[in-house]
Amino acid sequence: AQSVAQPEDQVNVAEGNPLTVKCTYSVSGNPYLFWYVQYPNRGLQFLLKYITGDNLVKGSYGFEAEFNKSQTSFHLKKPSALVSDSALYFCAVRERVTGGGNKLTFGTGTQLKVEL
Amino acid sequence: EAGVAQSPRYKIIEKRQSVAFWCNPISGHATLYWYQQILGQGPKLLIQFQNNGVVDDSQLPKDRFSAERLKGVDSTLKIQPAKLEDSAVYLCASSLDWSGRSEQYFGPGTRLTVT
Repeated sequence: AQSVAQPEDQVNVAEGNPLTVKCTYSVSGNPYLFWYVQYPNRGLQFLLKYITGDNLVKGSYGFEAEFNKSQTSFHLKKPSALVSDSALYFCAVRERVTGGGNKLTFGTGTQLKVEL
Repeated sequence: EAGVAQSPRYKIIEKRQSVAFWCNPISGHATLYWYQQILGQGPKLLIQFQNNGVVDDSQLPKDRFSAERLKGVDSTLKIQPAKLEDSAVYLCASSLDWSGRSEQYFGPGTRLTVT
């Protein structure tokens, strides 16, 4: 089975500083990787994805992620954090299902707190 | 474009009662998903539809949960009878196709509390 791990339950960073939210994956074959963000009492919002191509993927709200095959990682980054970036971040991997479709398997989430 | 709509947003029921959730996906999205998100965890897929057919329901507790997407558009998820451990947020999502390459768009969710 495919899986992702988010080793940090919480990440604290000062506004204006760069931020990194870590994700490692375990898949057979080529990985399809995603990052989502969840604000309180809201559904998940898509940030970015890696399917193929450039290892550096740019997404919404200034976020980017670097796919590293040798380290099996897909860390989320932003050069300058904002207080409004404070939210719960989920890494996810595509997993094939028996009916021929695909599903997302999510990590446990990392709470990002950006402080003034 | 309009996002994924879900109702109700909140529901409180007693154990052994029944409850139903409704979802209307983004127009034109063929694939619809229902997830269960327990507090402190990532969402877990319950069932996936491609148009009005079930693609995967291997994680759906079929003795108490059921779901349908009769006309290939909106969908209903039902729990009958509810248990305390069903307390969670139920998220509906849709995607353009089921290739796995298309991102999923999520609704705001329904927070279910079973007492």
